[in-house]
Amino acid sequence: AQKITQTQPGMFVQEKEAVTLDCTYDTSDPSYGLFWYKQPSSGEMIFLIYQGSYDQQNATEGRYSLNFQKARKSANLVISASQLGDSAMYFCAMNTGFQKLVFGTGTRLLVSP
Amino acid sequence: KAGVTQTPRYLIKTRGQQVTLSCSPISGHRSVSWYQQTPGQGLQFLFEYFSETQRNKGNFPGRFSGRQFSNSRSEMNVSTLELGDSALYLCASSLVGLAGAPDTQYFGPGTRLTVL
Repeated sequence: AQKITQTQPGMFVQEKEAVTLDCTYDTSDPSYGLFWYKQPSSGEMIFLIYQGSYDQQNATEGRYSLNFQKARKSANLVISASQLGDSAMYFCAMNTGFQKLVFGTGTRLLVSP
Repeated sequence: KAGVTQTPRYLIKTRGQQVTLSCSPISGHRSVSWYQQTPGQGLQFLFEYFSETQRNKGNFPGRFSGRQFSNSRSEMNVSTLELGDSALYLCASSLVGLAGAPDTQYFGPGTRLTVL
């Protein structure tokens, strides 16, 4: 069975600083995708970044990068130069096919001025 | 390109009633998945449809059902509502949804269902 673990219920960071949100996963499938989503208080899940299990390079999307360590089964999200608008819940998720995402419990990020 | 749309955004029902939620995927997307989000259980997969066929189903009772139309729009239905069905219901669409191939899912704003 697939499982995603996010051990940080909440994180605080000051504006303009970088922050790392942790995610570990467990699967026996050789092919999988790892995703990070942002959920503001409005409820909509916003796609941030994707990493495929066969990708050699760490994924980057603007201020977001994914630190993918396959041997350790970790896929941490790094947000550089935090902004006040980054305050939200962040979910790590995994997909091994048939579009069934397995989510972690999420990390609430609060960015302070 | 327009995103995933869900209607209605908010819904209040009483126990025993039934409800139908609607989801229109991004144009060209053929796979639609549904998720339930509650404070206690987190985000849980309900089911996924592709080309009008249910390909995968989560661990929910038969009161939860869905369907997909030829234009890829999808509906989910919950019959005999219970208090525990109060949740945010999220719909997501993906472009191709090849079996065994992870594909990015894009979510709609959700329907917040309250059961009294």
